[in-house]
Amino acid sequence: DAKTTQPPSMDCAEGRAANLPCNHSTISGNEYVYWYRQIHSQGPQYIIHGLKNNETNEMASLIITEDRKSSTLILPHATLRDTAVYYCIVRAGDDKIIFGKGTRLHILP
Amino acid sequence: SQTIHQWPATLVQPVGSPLSLECTVEGTSNPNLYWYRQAAGRGLQLLFYSVGIGQISSEVPQNLSASRPQDRQFILSSKKLLLSDSGFYLCAWSVPGVRTGELFFGEGSRLTVL
Repeated sequence: DAKTTQPPSMDCAEGRAANLPCNHSTISGNEYVYWYRQIHSQGPQYIIHGLKNNETNEMASLIITEDRKSSTLILPHATLRDTAVYYCIVRAGDDKIIFGKGTRLHILP
Repeated sequence: SQTIHQWPATLVQPVGSPLSLECTVEGTSNPNLYWYRQAAGRGLQLLFYSVGIGQISSEVPQNLSASRPQDRQFILSSKKLLLSDSGFYLCAWSVPGVRTGELFFGEGSRLTVL
């Protein structure tokens, strides 16, 4: 079973920041938080990952709470091309990688 | 650079027919390999993963099987397809033993069982 919980869907206006939450209350100390997204009919695409500290790359920012029980993926200026299903997963280097149902993000023009 | 290919991209099969989906990875050695399935409107379901030749772990009991005859080749098979086998099948690979390694997905194979 997936170790994360995400809202099934979210809307965001184009040009605004999209904040996607994820709960991982049973996360272990050695587990990383990963985010992927899947655009319709394509394979998932890696976005970002982190352990404790907040992370930022050219695609997004990842904010992890101090207790590590939840995190938020931030797309700073959402565009229509960001419409996708976003998956939050936790991984400890274990070879089994389980995806949950993700959040379907709709960017509204 | 590393690449992953899977084929066929689409196929339509009758119930009870056999299935073979193939996935190969280039540009890396001893990758971890995965098969996922996504039914229409559903999330990604892990079917099989492999950490080496001949080493296959099954996550969901079903009429599907997987084999890894070569280091960078992963095959998904079925002897008799069911209607419920319809879906989008994705092969993926990751670098073994790297805790921060990402998962790289193929283009996917869309299977329709009639």
